[in-house]
Amino acid sequence: DQQVKQNSPSLSVQEGRISILNCDYTNSMFDYFLWYKKYPAEGPTFLISISSIKDKNEDGRFTVFLNKSAKHLSLHIVPSQPGDSAVYFCAARVANAGGTSYGKLTFGQGTILTVHP
Amino acid sequence: DTAVSQTPKYLVTQMGNDKSIKCEQNLGHDTMYWYKQDSKKFLKIMFSYNNKELIINETVPNRFSPKSPDKAHLNLHINSLELGDSAVYFCASSLRSGASEQFFGPGTRLTVL
Repeated sequence: DQQVKQNSPSLSVQEGRISILNCDYTNSMFDYFLWYKKYPAEGPTFLISISSIKDKNEDGRFTVFLNKSAKHLSLHIVPSQPGDSAVYFCAARVANAGGTSYGKLTFGQGTILTVHP
Repeated sequence: DTAVSQTPKYLVTQMGNDKSIKCEQNLGHDTMYWYKQDSKKFLKIMFSYNNKELIINETVPNRFSPKSPDKAHLNLHINSLELGDSAVYFCASSLRSGASEQFFGPGTRLTVL
């Protein structure tokens, strides 16, 4: 049972426009969410995060929105640039999970973003 | 300087063989992880070590055995390889256990024939 899902395998956007990547989760115990970006032949790199006590976090061109009631988060990239073309993973964590789940991140399956010049 | 490195980058082997993947981090982090990215592209945690102590152990076959000789290294040994073990394996580290920002290595693509 996948607790974090990214239902759009791919997204294609024109340079300068907004990219919106979506992520849904089922576990109501998740209270910290992250987005990672991955280029081919490289490992994922941390992009931006949000705690469940917030509904928005912004860092430059990247903004993450959290809708807890809908168990949905999204990443907005404005304006999109060709260098943003990558796979984007969302991930979630249960804070203060004890035992063998401490620090465990649950990832979605990723969305391939292509930004066309 | 590479923060989290893995060797080898590619590994092709026959069913039934035993192989190891090595991981090293030079970030001074206390916690290291192994993830498996399967054919459906989900990244799934396998193990986590904090200061050489196992703290996360997901349901993986016991043919997989992590070994942490020191907190900068976490190696993954796989016995009796099976076709289903073919995947990309990522090592990661974080400052401490419970810290959400994890730094990933480039991955090792394992192909079992």
